[in-house]
Amino acid sequence: NAGVTQTPKFQVLKTGQSMTLQCAQDMNHEYMSWYRQDPGMGLRLIHYSVGAGITDQGEVPNGYNVSRSTTEDFPLRLLSAAPSQTSVYFCASSYRSGGAREQYFGPGTRLTVT
Amino acid sequence: TQLLEQSPQFLSIQEGENLTVYCNSSSVFSSLQWYRQEPGEGPVLLVTVVTGGEVKKLKRLTFQFGDARKDSSLHITAAQPGDTGLYLCAGERQGAQKLVFGQGTRLTINP
Repeated sequence: NAGVTQTPKFQVLKTGQSMTLQCAQDMNHEYMSWYRQDPGMGLRLIHYSVGAGITDQGEVPNGYNVSRSTTEDFPLRLLSAAPSQTSVYFCASSYRSGGAREQYFGPGTRLTVT
Repeated sequence: TQLLEQSPQFLSIQEGENLTVYCNSSSVFSSLQWYRQEPGEGPVLLVTVVTGGEVKKLKRLTFQFGDARKDSSLHITAAQPGDTGLYLCAGERQGAQKLVFGQGTRLTINP
């Protein structure tokens, strides 16, 4: 199993450009999510999905879109990149075990917006 | 305002010392988790606690969930340089369908 994979690993964008961060998992997990990580702020939830065709907003959804057409894939789209979106982005998939959700994270995408 | 507050945010100690990291909230959580993250990688789950008062041990690491399920602690005995990393707590509130994370504790163990 590859687990959770993310591409690209690094990306530099100019303000106003758009792009899609890819995320895929091969563990057949129903739940997937996107986080951004900024210094001193831990991980903040952008969007999440509880299954194919279902998505919902997290704490910081503005400027990002998601879709979930398959169980395996959960791409994150930046519509018009802004310097405030410079961050490290993590995708995660999870399942329930013993009443708790256990998350598996991808290796991250480091995005710089100039 | 952070729903989960971790303290301290930075900790640098010598090899062999003991340490405790705290994760506090005014909210009740149905479960609480601890993750460790190394530079350039995603967080990796260490432990999940679901019962108030629960204590779990993972070698030299001891995790405790508060009786009221509002706080948790991570205690490391005889710290080693391999324990260096960013430690994150994360909690799930009943029926919330999402995890909230603390801001993290950056731990450095000096040889």
